Amino acid sequence: DVKVTQSSRYLVKRTGEKVFLECVQDMDHENMFWYRQDPGLGLRLIYFSYDVKMKEKGDIPEGYSVSREKKERFSLILESASTNQTSMYLCASSLQAENSPLHFGNGTRLTVT
Amino acid sequence: GDSVTQMEGPVTLSEEACLTINCTYTATGYPSLFWYVQYPGEGLQLLLKATKADDKGSNKGFEATYRKETTSFHLEKGSVQVSDSAVYFCALRKKLGGYNKLIFGAGTRLAVHP
Repeated sequence: DVKVTQSSRYLVKRTGEKVFLECVQDMDHENMFWYRQDPGLGLRLIYFSYDVKMKEKGDIPEGYSVSREKKERFSLILESASTNQTSMYLCASSLQAENSPLHFGNGTRLTVT
Repeated sequence: GDSVTQMEGPVTLSEEACLTINCTYTATGYPSLFWYVQYPGEGLQLLLKATKADDKGSNKGFEATYRKETTSFHLEKGSVQVSDSAVYFCALRKKLGGYNKLIFGAGTRLAVHP
């Protein structure tokens, strides 16, 4: 079974802090994704990566950056956390093929105070 | 542009009732279609998928048929259980330039009561 592991289930940070959310997958998937999930807004794509060292902006990249130095790891960085970044963050990975499903981690609930 | 529309929730059913969650899509070309399920406190899990017209995906008693003529992929189950209470997401994936575009519906919350 594919496993996508997010480093923290719950995280509490202060406004202005730099925050790193880590995601690791064990199935050699080319594509990796970061979403945030908020009540009433569904899933919104922040960034995705279709290969090592490649990254593309999603629908809401402002205030975030990403890093993919190794194929299995995709990090989401909040440069200066703000209260409106309090959310559930979901990482996912998939094969490149368009008929491949995404495999999700269990999410990180981030609270910025 | 491409989009996925799901029926609004919450859907509230008694145990053993029949379930239908409607999903329609707008997309050019030939997308693959998926249903994901999210149980409380967890990430999304793939429930079933269909990759071409008239394909039927099925899993855990759920099924959905890819209907190109009506651009629909409705999720059905003949007899729901309390353990089916979750949020269900319909999604499509298609090729766009050098990568694959993925679009999720807004999700439909299902609550099943004993």
